Amino acid sequence: GAGVSQSPSNKVTEKGKDVELRCDPISGHTALYWYRQSLGQGLEFLIYFQGNSAPDKSGLPSDRFSAERTGGSVSTLTIQRTQQEDSAVYLCASELGRGLGGYTFGSGTRLTVV
Amino acid sequence: ILNVEQSPQSLHVQEGDSTNFTCSFPSSNFYALHWYRWETAKSPEALFVMTLNGDEKKKGRISATLNTKEGYSYLYIKGSQPEDSATYLCAFLTGNQFYFGTGTSLTVIP
Repeated sequence: GAGVSQSPSNKVTEKGKDVELRCDPISGHTALYWYRQSLGQGLEFLIYFQGNSAPDKSGLPSDRFSAERTGGSVSTLTIQRTQQEDSAVYLCASELGRGLGGYTFGSGTRLTVV
Repeated sequence: ILNVEQSPQSLHVQEGDSTNFTCSFPSSNFYALHWYRWETAKSPEALFVMTLNGDEKKKGRISATLNTKEGYSYLYIKGSQPEDSATYLCAFLTGNQFYFGTGTSLTVIP
């Protein structure tokens, strides 16, 4: 696609429910990154994929968070048993290949846990 | 879709040189402009949050200016050092949504 597409753009969920966030990167971009921005805080790195592999999962804040990428394309970030502190904007970015540049951010999913 | 542009896309400078780059953004519905120093697969380091037209901010050898009427911000690095090598990313905040530029990749050659 022409840009990085994230869905949904907004999600309100009840505490304890699971949510799934989707990122559709630019076609041909092999590297994909997930970040989140909480209210009043900077960007926090969560996880990155090179192809379908995630070499480093240490940025995920807890074991309730998981991510996968299939076919070297779409990625989903899943948050199980959501908590209020999970409320944030979840941003996805893709890059031609890690370190190769052309990184482009999606417009994010705003998650609100009530 | 809002367009936030950064230029140049990449830059190589010699140690000790001063340099600057640009972030251009829409001049309407401005709320804030953020500058980040970013190494991919790490959490970006927030440099500045700029909100007022004419703002000038400084952090060590790095400074930034803001012109909201014409829609641009400059980031300056004085006396570049190899440790300044990174991607510098700007993000335009309007309403409750961020729009990111694609970054300027800076390499400082010792």
